[in-house]
Parts: sequence; structure tokens; C-alpha cells
Amino acid sequence: AQTVTQSQPEMSVQEAETVTLSCTYDTSENNYYLFWYKQPPSRQMILVIRQEAYKQQNATENRFSVNFQKAAKSFSLKISDSQLGDTAMYFCASRPNSGTYKYIFGTGTRLKVLA
Amino acid sequence: DTAVSQTPKYLVTQMGNDKSIKCEQNLGHDTMYWYKQDSKKFLKIMFSYNNKELIINETVPNRFSPKSPDKAHLNLHINSLELGDSAVYFCARGAGRGPRHNQPQHFGDGTRLSIL
Repeated sequence: AQTVTQSQPEMSVQEAETVTLSCTYDTSENNYYLFWYKQPPSRQMILVIRQEAYKQQNATENRFSVNFQKAAKSFSLKISDSQLGDTAMYFCASRPNSGTYKYIFGTGTRLKVLA
Repeated sequence: DTAVSQTPKYLVTQMGNDKSIKCEQNLGHDTMYWYKQDSKKFLKIMFSYNNKELIINETVPNRFSPKSPDKAHLNLHINSLELGDSAVYFCARGAGRGPRHNQPQHFGDGTRLSIL
């Protein structure tokens, strides 16, 4: 069975600083995707970044990057130069690349960026 | 990208009523989903349809019934609403099979359902 664990319910960071959100997962699949979604107070679910498990290179999207450690089943999100608009819930998710393509989401980390 | 359109955004109704939430996606993706997000923000999949075929049906009360009249629509009907049904419901599309398997999932804006 797939599981996704986010062990940090809440975090805060000063504006312009860097913060790392943790995520670990478990899957028996060989081929899968990992995602980070952001949910601001507006409640929209916004895709931040994704990583294909067979790719060793860590994905980056502007100020967002991941540290993907496949053997450790770890997929952390680093936000550089934090901005007030980054304040949101962040969800880590995994999805196998076969079968039902079912997404499993973690319980989320509430990030607050402080001015 | 307004790929997933969900209506209504807010739905307030009384216990025991029957209601529907509509979802439409405009990018021709085969796979659509319904999720429930509870008051603790926990997001859980309810259903998934691929090309009008039910693929995932989690342990959801049978008062909840998805209806997919065509590939672009996946509506959620809820009968005999209960207090515990209060939540935000998200429709999503994407991550289909075949050549579109690498597409990420995109969500609608959610429907906040409040049961009085």
C-alpha cells in the first residue's frame, strides 16, 4: 500500500529565508511520480513541482526545488527566498504510473512566511 | 489554465436534502477524480473515472454517486445529506493512461458544502 507522511504539521520562516518541508513515502511500485501541491487560503490546489522517480536529477521550478532520495524514500521541498505569498498548506503526494493511478496525499504542512 | 470548472463554489443546505456538484474539464483528458477535504485539511480520494469507466471507488457511503455522462464531465450526487458530509469537495483531472500518463493532476477550485 502507498503511504505519504509529512511529519511537520506547521512551520514558519522569515521572509527571504529558506525553508525545507519534509516528506517521506512508501510504495511498492518501481515507476511512480511525486508531487508537491500548495493550497493557499483561497483553497485552490496548485501544483508546485513534480518528480519522476526514475529521474535522478532533482526537479526545480524557480525558487522551489526538491531533494529526492529514492533509497530513503524521501522527497523534501526547499523554498528559497521565501515570500509572503508562499504562506499556504503544502501537500506531498505520490502516484504510481500504472494500475489505478491513484494519488495518495500526505496530511499537509502549514507554512507561514513572516514579514 | 482553467482546465477544471466546478460549480457551485459554495453550497449550504439542510440535513436530509439531495444535492449535486458539477465538474467539467476542457482538455480532453480521460481521467477525472473526486476528493473530499475535511476540516483538518486531510485530502482523500473518493472516486476516479477513466473514459466514463469507474476505476477507483473508495469506501464512500453509497449516498454518494458519481455520474459521468461523457469524458468531459464527472458530477457528484449526494443523497440524504448528513452533518458529517460538510467538507470541501474537489474535482480533478489528469494523469490519464497511455500517452498522457505523465500529466500532473489539476484541481477545480473546490465546493464548500455546509450542512445545517
